[in-house]
Amino acid sequence: NAGVMQNPRHLVRRRGQEARLRCSPMKGHSHVYWYRQLPEEGLKFMVYLQKENIIDESGMPKERFSAEFPKEGPSILRIQQVVRGDSAAYFCASSPRSGRVDEQYFGPGTRLTVT
Amino acid sequence: ELKVEQNPLFLSMQEGKNYTIYCNYSTTSDRLYWYRQDPGKSLESLFVLLSNGAVKQEGRLMASLDTKARLSTLHITAAVHDLSATYFCAVVGQRNQFYFGTGTSLTVIP
Repeated sequence: NAGVMQNPRHLVRRRGQEARLRCSPMKGHSHVYWYRQLPEEGLKFMVYLQKENIIDESGMPKERFSAEFPKEGPSILRIQQVVRGDSAAYFCASSPRSGRVDEQYFGPGTRLTVT
Repeated sequence: ELKVEQNPLFLSMQEGKNYTIYCNYSTTSDRLYWYRQDPGKSLESLFVLLSNGAVKQEGRLMASLDTKARLSTLHITAAVHDLSATYFCAVVGQRNQFYFGTGTSLTVIP
């Protein structure tokens, strides 16, 4: 059973470009969470999605950031017009359901560098 | 917003010594996790603590939870170099999102 997959693992963008980060949850998992880790800091919750629904986006910056989890395909975290402060590691996690004692399984992360 | 604080932030200890990392959180939660992260890597799950008074042990690491005090501890016994890493606690919010502590960077010195 493959774990949570993220790609790319490393992404370099120039200021003003767009970054697209992909997350494929574990097989049978329908809940996806995105977290951001700035250098030397802990992970910060960004958004929680189920298939075709955003459940909680309270941790998402108001501008330039968006996320989706379509019926088919991976979840996408999209950052428009990237700035240097967006440089961070972005982790996604998946779980099979909410409201239960189910652990989240974390992917390997995408390390975004904005030059 | 649920706040999670860890201390110390940095810990340098000699091999063979014992030490404790503390994790305080601000509001009620029914689950607390401990993770390990090596540089440039993802998170490795260590423990999940589900109830007041829960204690779990794996090798030289032991975690406990006091929900009344909103406090969890990660105790390291007779540290070895392989334990050098950053350790995070995480508390679960109402929508199953995780709130992570600031992390404790542990260095074990031979």
